[in-house]
Amino acid sequence: RKEVEQDPGPFNVPEGATVAFNCTYSNSASQSFFWYRQDCRKEPKLLMSVYSSGNEDGRFTAQLNRASQYISLLIRDSKLSDSATYLCVVNGGTGGFKTIFGAGTRLFVKA
Amino acid sequence: NAGVTQTPKFQVLKTGQSMTLQCAQDMNHNSMYWYRQDPGMGLRLIYYSASEGTTDKGEVPNGYNVSRLNKREFSLRLESAAPSQTSVYFCASSELEAGGSYEQYFGPGTRLTVT
Repeated sequence: RKEVEQDPGPFNVPEGATVAFNCTYSNSASQSFFWYRQDCRKEPKLLMSVYSSGNEDGRFTAQLNRASQYISLLIRDSKLSDSATYLCVVNGGTGGFKTIFGAGTRLFVKA
Repeated sequence: NAGVTQTPKFQVLKTGQSMTLQCAQDMNHNSMYWYRQDPGMGLRLIYYSASEGTTDKGEVPNGYNVSRLNKREFSLRLESAAPSQTSVYFCASSELEAGGSYEQYFGPGTRLTVT
């Protein structure tokens, strides 16, 4: 089993739709959680951190469920510019550096 | 500020050739990282440097060496390139490496093909 798993998609949605991505992780000792965004042939960039209480940034909402070991990202009112790959990132745990990137979920938003 | 810069942007090597990928950051970050990204596999850590003067292996270090030249620069060397090293290589930096809780800033990547 991969340490961080994401549905690869692609998700094809019309503008204005709400879309949700899930990510599961295997290390229960994980401490920090993030969503990064990666545009085609570009570098990843931080979209938002994920806090235990959940957090929102405009149209984006991230949630963490430690008991079930998954995090989610909800995008409301999708824009064409949201088309990208969304990477789930899980950090922490025992024994050295433990930053694990998921393989990413591709999103296409169409007019 | 340029952020994280990488050179070259593209490179084609023949099997057995060597090369060094250069990375520099101007954010005064302590920690730097080298990743490779292959289709369907996500980013995998090759080596990292938690602070100037230290380097440690990541998930896939075989076939690579690194040098933390100073606080700004972190280079990745392929001593004898193999087709399996065809990939996109990203350098990243963060303020600290403290359980990975700090945002990482990535360079634009180097697209390497080994024939």
